[in-house]
Amino acid sequence: DTGVSQDPRHKITKRGQNVTFRCDPISEHNRLYWYRQTLGQGPEFLTYFQNEAQLEKSRLLSDRFSAERPKGSFSTLEIQRTEQGDSAMYLCASSRLGQGIAWDFYGYTFGSGTRLTVV
Amino acid sequence: AQKVTQAQTEISVVEKEDVTLDCVYETRDTTYYLFWYKQPPSGELVFLIRRNSFDEQNEISGRYSWNFQKSTSSFNFTITASQVVDSAVYFCALSENAGGTSYGKLTFGQGTILTVHP
Repeated sequence: DTGVSQDPRHKITKRGQNVTFRCDPISEHNRLYWYRQTLGQGPEFLTYFQNEAQLEKSRLLSDRFSAERPKGSFSTLEIQRTEQGDSAMYLCASSRLGQGIAWDFYGYTFGSGTRLTVV
Repeated sequence: AQKVTQAQTEISVVEKEDVTLDCVYETRDTTYYLFWYKQPPSGELVFLIRRNSFDEQNEISGRYSWNFQKSTSSFNFTITASQVVDSAVYFCALSENAGGTSYGKLTFGQGTILTVHP
């Protein structure tokens, strides 16, 4: 297994266009997270999946953002009607459940991210 | 709500100097994890360490060491004999238990840019 993969690495789009990013987690990981990182800041949590269920969404995730993980494997993050403020690095991470403890997790691994530029 | 503060925005040192990166956190939980990540210019977040709130033992890994002090809510990171390859942005992060519902959401500090000059 080669870790968490994200595609594309870079995306330049015109304001108002829709974009979709893909994340392939480590195969045995059942938890998947999306983060956004703007220039000079730390990553900020966007949303989280356990298997195919989206269990938490940040207030940062406006109505223009939607994330899916249809079969509990890869995930997509779509941004509709992009705005210049959406320009950022979008990071995906995955982890697996601890043994019998719901809050515990192992192997938290980040992908290389998708850098979005909205012009 | 949880919060992580990295007060040092940028640090510049000369190779072979020791450098300490500070991290202070806030949480209401008694059970949580603390992390340090390195982000080189390529952008990928590289995992360095995870520390359970129950384990206050300091840890050393090669030139890296971590000092966890619950009494002051700090988790500082020291690089001994720094090298040019250590130049990167370093992030401290916190994951709370939140009554068993946190599921591993990380709260990051703003990062410290470390530049090591030859």
